[in-house]
Amino acid sequence: AQSVAQPEDQVNVAEGNPLTVKCTYSVSGNPYLFWYVQYPNRGLQFLLKYITGDNLVKGSYGFEAEFNKSQTSFHLKKPSALVSDSALYFCAVTKYGGSQGNLIFGKGTKLSVKP
Amino acid sequence: ETGVTQTPRHLVMGMTNKKSLKCEQHLGHNAMYWYKQSAKKPLELMFVYSLEERVENNSVPSRFSPECPNSSHLFLHLHTLQPEDSALYLCASSQGNPWEQFFGPGTRLTVL
Repeated sequence: AQSVAQPEDQVNVAEGNPLTVKCTYSVSGNPYLFWYVQYPNRGLQFLLKYITGDNLVKGSYGFEAEFNKSQTSFHLKKPSALVSDSALYFCAVTKYGGSQGNLIFGKGTKLSVKP
Repeated sequence: ETGVTQTPRHLVMGMTNKKSLKCEQHLGHNAMYWYKQSAKKPLELMFVYSLEERVENNSVPSRFSPECPNSSHLFLHLHTLQPEDSALYLCASSQGNPWEQFFGPGTRLTVL
């Protein structure tokens, strides 16, 4: 069965510092991995995806994520955090040939960036 | 906004009420989804419609009844809900790649 783990409920970072939001996954076969962000009172917004190719993928708002097959991880990173990055971040996984729309989401990590 | 709208944004209902949630997408997508978001729990996929046909139903209780009259509209009919059904209900749509989904702002449902 597919699953996603986001081990941290909350991550606190000072503005200007690098940030990392962790995600590990479990899936049989080749994984497709995604990050979504949810700002207060809004729906989820797609940030980036890994399907195949380069292990480092770049997405919106300066975010990037690194696929590590040996560690089954897909951590979200940003070199310099902004206060406006404060939001809830969700990692998701599906597999090649998986059911239509069957994204499996983690429970989310709240990112708080302080000035 | 993302091109996916949901109404109402907030809903309070008693356990014996009947209500409906509405979702509309203005993106020309051909698939639509209902999710349930509860605090500190993973997002739960409830229903998937592709080309107006239901292709996924993840063991959702029958007190939730979806309807997709056309590719732009999706409803979730609610009847005899329980307090544990209180949550944020999110609608999403996609085109082509089913994994890049566009979400609406959600309906915050409270069942008394």
